[in-house]
Amino acid sequence: GAGVSQSPRYKVAKRGQDVALRCDPISGHVSLFWYQQALGQGPEFLTYFQNEAQLDKSGLPSDRFFAERPEGSVSTLKIQRTQQEDSAVYLCASSSEWDYSNQPQHFGDGTRLSIL
Amino acid sequence: KQEVTQIPAALSVPEGENLVLNCSFTDSAIYNLQWFRQDPGKGLTSLLLIQSSQREQTSGRLNASLDKSSGRSTLYIAASQPGDSATYLCAVMSFGNEKLTFGTGTRLTIIP
Repeated sequence: GAGVSQSPRYKVAKRGQDVALRCDPISGHVSLFWYQQALGQGPEFLTYFQNEAQLDKSGLPSDRFFAERPEGSVSTLKIQRTQQEDSAVYLCASSSEWDYSNQPQHFGDGTRLSIL
Repeated sequence: KQEVTQIPAALSVPEGENLVLNCSFTDSAIYNLQWFRQDPGKGLTSLLLIQSSQREQTSGRLNASLDKSSGRSTLYIAASQPGDSATYLCAVMSFGNEKLTFGTGTRLTIIP
């Protein structure tokens, strides 16, 4: 595709429900990142994949958060038993090369999650 | 732990003026520093990436500099236009860590 695509764009859920957020990276991109952005703040790292391997999940705030990328392309971020503090914009980014240090990350428009 | 600070938090300037946005970071062991633009309700658009061995990068009216030893970067915007209004974010990628650490951004408003 032309860019990173995220769906849904907006998600409203009741506290305690499970949600799943989808990311379609740019075709052929090896690296995929998830970030969480609270209102008025910069994005904060959640987790990182290289192809299907999840190499870093140190930013996931609790064991209620789970991410996967089973075939090395599309990724899903799942949040179980949602809490109000999970309300944020969830951004996905991808980059093209194994040498991620030389390549910019390309971001999607994000999913705005609101927990009632 | 890497920390990134951006000053000022907000800036308003008349159209046509040149301006500078500032970014500072605490750990100089970095692969690169990146500047992004974020429009309301949108994701981030990459503007410039400066590798740790570089001093500056230019793209059109934008020029970004990097002084790794002092932990500082600046984004210079020449001849500002109303379309430049957005939030500008700086982020660093530290050694041994592929994630980006972001500042909180500078919200820029260009007054026509």
